[in-house]
Amino acid sequence: EDKVVQSPLSLVVHEGDTVTLNCSYEVTNFRSLLWYKQEKKAPTFLFMLTSSGIEKKSGRLSSILDKKELFSILNITATQTGDSAIYLCAVELPGTYKYIFGTGTRLKVLA
Amino acid sequence: NAGVTQTPKFQVLKTGQSMTLQCAQDMNHNSMYWYRQDPGMGLRLIYYSASEGTTDKGEVPNGYNVSRLNKREFSLRLESAAPSQTSVYFCASSEDGNQPQHFGDGTRLSIL
Repeated sequence: EDKVVQSPLSLVVHEGDTVTLNCSYEVTNFRSLLWYKQEKKAPTFLFMLTSSGIEKKSGRLSSILDKKELFSILNITATQTGDSAIYLCAVELPGTYKYIFGTGTRLKVLA
Repeated sequence: NAGVTQTPKFQVLKTGQSMTLQCAQDMNHNSMYWYRQDPGMGLRLIYYSASEGTTDKGEVPNGYNVSRLNKREFSLRLESAAPSQTSVYFCASSEDGNQPQHFGDGTRLSIL
């Protein structure tokens, strides 16, 4: 069964810390993996990863995909209270328009 | 630029009632999606529409129907609401499959 597992389920850190969020999946031959940030309402898009080993960066956030080991990580450096959110990972089922989402990691950053 | 607009934002129904959740996007996207989000379950795909005139089932389609009215609008209908359908419903759109999806703010639906 296609499955996406995120860890940890929740995390509490202090401002300035660096965090690493994990996404592992049991889906082969997919085309893309997406990361989203969800605060109070709609998930907002962060990264789309299609190739193994190529890091994508946006400010303090970065992400990389390992297609051989079937996982992706999302790093956030110098965390701020505004980073507090649920971070979602989603993997495309091959040859479809369907994405399987993980249950998310809830990050809380304390001032 | 509104993006993806969902109505209503909140709704309370009694078991057995029907209702339609509306979704419209103004980004000229081809693909549209309906998800539900429950605590501890993540986002689960109910139905999607790859392009105008087509719809297909996702992971959890039972108890729901959809209509892709035109390129902009994709509605979700509950014919006979059940308490198990209490959830937050999100509509999303993307330019095509395998493109990032843009989400609406959600509809919080409670069924008593």
